[in-house]
Amino acid sequence: GENVEQHPSTLSVQEGDSAVIKCTYSDSASNYFPWYKQELGKGPQLIIDIRSNVGEKKDQRIAVTLNKTAKHFSLHITETQPEDSAVYFCAPHPPEGTSGSRLTFGEGTQLTVNP
Amino acid sequence: KAGVTQTPRYLIKTRGQQVTLSCSPISGHRSVSWYQQTPGQGLQFLFEYFSETQRNKGNFPGRFSGRQFSNSRSEMNVSTLELGDSALYLCASSWTEDTEAFFGQGTRLTVV
Repeated sequence: GENVEQHPSTLSVQEGDSAVIKCTYSDSASNYFPWYKQELGKGPQLIIDIRSNVGEKKDQRIAVTLNKTAKHFSLHITETQPEDSAVYFCAPHPPEGTSGSRLTFGEGTQLTVNP
Repeated sequence: KAGVTQTPRYLIKTRGQQVTLSCSPISGHRSVSWYQQTPGQGLQFLFEYFSETQRNKGNFPGRFSGRQFSNSRSEMNVSTLELGDSALYLCASSWTEDTEAFFGQGTRLTVV
């Protein structure tokens, strides 16, 4: 199965700074790379995802970069705001047909944005 | 469109009892997955159902079971509850295997 490592486990930044979270995976066949944000008392919510045929995707202040050779992908948040404070999870996904909808999540990163 | 709905939101049970949790996926989604979230173990995959068939199962004891109905609604059952079963149980639905998974708000189960 997929082994997933996520770093750092906690990250504290000042409002307006950038934050980067890295996810390393083991299955070279993985081809779908989502990032989820979980706020207190809520379920995880997809914030951005990327497929293996592209190296970077950006959506306003959030971006994801993928390095398939090194088997890692990263979440980048620029101009952080207090409402970005949450736990972030990566969940690299192998190809359709190999595992169903079984997501293997990273351990999570608690991001705190200080005003 | 309506999101994934999980009921109940909170539940307190006694050791040895059993519990049933319910999940209504987004309309049209046929894949429903269940996850257990605890502070120590993070998000752990329980099982996945697709068109009423269990397609995948995680490494949990047989006390954990589930099913899916023809309308894609799913239930999970935990029998002979243990203190360690206290957790947030999350349900996620998706259109296909490798499309976005939408999560419900979860059911917080406390076993005393």
